[in-house]
Amino acid sequence: DAKTTQPTSMDCAEGRAANLPCNHSTISGNEYVYWYRQIHSQGPQYIIHGLKNNETNEMASLIITEDRKSSTLILPHATLRDTAVYYCIAIHNAGNMLTFGGGTRLMVKP
Amino acid sequence: SQTIHQWPATLVQPVGSPLSLECTVEGTSNPNLYWYRQAAGRGLQLLFYSVGIGQISSEVPQNLSASRPQDRQFILSSKKLLLSDSGFYLCAWSRGTPIRGTEAFFGQGTRLTVV
Repeated sequence: DAKTTQPTSMDCAEGRAANLPCNHSTISGNEYVYWYRQIHSQGPQYIIHGLKNNETNEMASLIITEDRKSSTLILPHATLRDTAVYYCIAIHNAGNMLTFGGGTRLMVKP
Repeated sequence: SQTIHQWPATLVQPVGSPLSLECTVEGTSNPNLYWYRQAAGRGLQLLFYSVGIGQISSEVPQNLSASRPQDRQFILSSKKLLLSDSGFYLCAWSRGTPIRGTEAFFGQGTRLTVV
């Protein structure tokens, strides 16, 4: 699975969009990009995933660059409850494992 | 619907004592199962994963072991706990291989303190 690189921490004002970047420059053509988040003392929660096209669901949007070397998770209107560690993961479509890196600690401030 | 149960929620054990953490999944069959550990202030470390009954893959050498006696049951064990075994232990499942475009579901975790 490709290695991913994320900033250690980010701040966002409540009500504003939170844009969390992820670099996955070694990603291969059949590796998906997944995003999870972990709120303090809870298990990680799935947010969204994509392969080539941009994706949107009720939680977030995922923008993947055309060369697939990076992506951005967008929380359109961040709330205080979105404060969490956000993990970006690249997974082979036949892989069995989920491996997490350090993630980005997002702090949403009032 | 599928659910994952993990217990106990918290555990305090003395050094050298045995450990058994249990995880069960309901509402699905032949899931991939995972055990993770998270030390205080650290990221998630994959310990074990299993793609079927009796099939265990270890990612990190340590004094922990895992077993899968039934399709939807995953057990994490230790014969003698070390102080360094303290942490937040998470069980997770995902649909059986291939995991193309599928998500993983996590339990609520067990906070283990070895004293």
